[in-house]
Amino acid sequence: EAGVTQSPTHLIKTRGQQATLRCSPISGHTSVYWYQQALGLGLQFLLWYDEGEERNRGNFPPRFSGRQFPNYSSELNVNALELEDSALYLCASSLGTGLKNTEAFFGQGTRLTVV
Amino acid sequence: GENVEQHPSTLSVQEGDSAVIKCTYSDSASNYFPWYKQELGKRPQLIIDIRSNVGEKKDQRIAVTLNKTAKHFSLHITETQPEDSAVYFCAASKGGSYIPTFGRGTSLIVHP
Repeated sequence: EAGVTQSPTHLIKTRGQQATLRCSPISGHTSVYWYQQALGLGLQFLLWYDEGEERNRGNFPPRFSGRQFPNYSSELNVNALELEDSALYLCASSLGTGLKNTEAFFGQGTRLTVV
Repeated sequence: GENVEQHPSTLSVQEGDSAVIKCTYSDSASNYFPWYKQELGKRPQLIIDIRSNVGEKKDQRIAVTLNKTAKHFSLHITETQPEDSAVYFCAASKGGSYIPTFGRGTSLIVHP
């Protein structure tokens, strides 16, 4: 069974440009989470999508946005890129919401570099 | 929202020693506490988790303890090996939705 896949693996953009990152969850998983992993800051929660809806977002400006498609894959868009947006962006998927928490499986991440 | 503090940020041990990583959380409603291991250049992977109705859980050389009253939980690795070297993240979340809040990570270095 394929795990969570992310593309591209590396992305270099110029300040002010837009970046689009993609994530395909494990088959059967309906929830997708996006995290930013900047050096020394751990995993910062960005966005959570479930069943096509944005369920929650972390403490990030509105230029970070995304969506989830009917096949549960997801896109993260970052507009007006700033140098400090350079980080590893990790996507994770799980079986979805409910009273019983379920394990989140991570993708390999997209390394975004803003120059 | 939930706040998870993790200590230490770096831990250096000799092969065969034990390693302990501690986390505290702020939201008393949190009831699920996973631990992830991230080797250099790789994705974080779940190594063990504990739910609030359990005080301790073991899996071979790793164990996790939870003190709900004090709102802290710890990861214990015994007989450490060089392949245990990685960044370890603790997390906390509560029922009804799964948005784990992660600690900042502990870089564990096991010297042969």
